[in-house]
Amino acid sequence: EAGVTQFPSHSVIEKGQTVTLRCDPISGHDNLYWYRRVMGKEIKFLLHFVKESKQDESGMPNNRFLAERTGGTYSTLKVQPAELEDSGVYFCASSRQQGFGNTIYFGEGSWLTVV
Amino acid sequence: DQQVKQNSPSLSVQEGRISILNCDYTNSMFDYFLWYKKYPAEGPTFLISISSIKDKNEDGRFTVFLNKSAKHLSLHIVPSQPGDSAVYFCAALRETSYDKVIFGPGTSLSVIP
Repeated sequence: EAGVTQFPSHSVIEKGQTVTLRCDPISGHDNLYWYRRVMGKEIKFLLHFVKESKQDESGMPNNRFLAERTGGTYSTLKVQPAELEDSGVYFCASSRQQGFGNTIYFGEGSWLTVV
Repeated sequence: DQQVKQNSPSLSVQEGRISILNCDYTNSMFDYFLWYKKYPAEGPTFLISISSIKDKNEDGRFTVFLNKSAKHLSLHIVPSQPGDSAVYFCAALRETSYDKVIFGPGTSLSVIP
């Protein structure tokens, strides 16, 4: 069974540009999460999809971030326009059922560097 | 403000000895506490968890202790192995928030052969 896959693995963009990160969850996983880790600090929750619906987007930092999950399959996270403080690792995770953190599978992350 | 704190950014331990990773939290509403392990260029993977109604949970070489009154938990690895070298994230969540995991900043463990 394939794990959570994320693309691109690394991205370097200039301030003001747009970047779109993609996440393909494990097949059959209705729950999809986005987290990010900035500058070696804690990994912070961004949002949670159940199928195509946003269950919780309380962690989205501002309206420059837009997440979508069309058809309840893969998800995209767009940052537009990107700022320097957006640099970090963006992790996607998925789970079959909502649980207590022990059934979430994380992807390898997408490293974003804004220069 | 960080709700989950790991005050030691790094830790070095000799192979075969005990590794003790510490974690403090501020939110008394947390119901579950977890430890994740992360290797370079990989995502975090779940390691072990403990419910707030318990004070100890053991899984092989890994034991997590919870002291609710002190809002403190720790992960013990005995004996430590070189393959345990990784970043360990302490995390917590509220039962009502399911998988909305609140992570600490991580502790990098190096087990020296």
